[in-house]
Amino acid sequence: SYELTQPPSVSVSPGQTAKITCSGDAFPQQYAYWYQQKAGQAPVVIIHKDSERPSGIPERFSGSSSGTTVTLTISGVQAGDEADYYCQSTDSSGAYVFGPGTKVTVL
Amino acid sequence: EVQLVESGGGLVQPGGSLRLSCEASGFSFISYSVNWVRQAPGKGLEWVSYISPSGSNIYYADSVKGRVAISRDNAKNTVSLQINSLRDEDTSVYYCAREDRNEGSGLDFWGQGTLVTVSS
Repeated sequence: SYELTQPPSVSVSPGQTAKITCSGDAFPQQYAYWYQQKAGQAPVVIIHKDSERPSGIPERFSGSSSGTTVTLTISGVQAGDEADYYCQSTDSSGAYVFGPGTKVTVL
Repeated sequence: EVQLVESGGGLVQPGGSLRLSCEASGFSFISYSVNWVRQAPGKGLEWVSYISPSGSNIYYADSVKGRVAISRDNAKNTVSLQINSLRDEDTSVYYCAREDRNEGSGLDFWGQGTLVTVSS
């Protein structure tokens, strides 16, 4: 079955930049989506269609794509950005898949 | 205000069945697909099932195929997920999430989830 690969954790100091990669064979043919999930809360979509930011999502969150890897970048990290981040895409059969998640720790 | 409210979770014995419901309000329900996504305690997100706005297109994850059935009632703004032959590994919080697939919105609004615990 189709899989997405993410690093399990990323640590970053406040004000610095965090980059989270997500690799999968379906990229770039399929779009990537990124979700933020804070402890005890439901996920929130923060990037759709590889690089578009939904209304209300701060500009410090951005998405990019290169070949079979997509990247979520958090610029000027804040303490409130500490969360789990998941990439998501679809396979050729229409099924959805989530990456294993990356825990972002703000030092 | 957009709302998705899941219900139907609870404690069930292995081999048992449950029917989860997702009630939508505050938006044009018939314009959106709905997905079920689950999360085992302390684990990541796992997509379970998808249903298109009309109900004509349905997809299931391999891990639940043959044991799960998704349906929707657009007159009542609800989506249901029937889960049969429950296993320990089905223990999770089950979320419903809407999606405007034509617009590529992703799962842009989620409910707060309903907990399913499979245990004897």
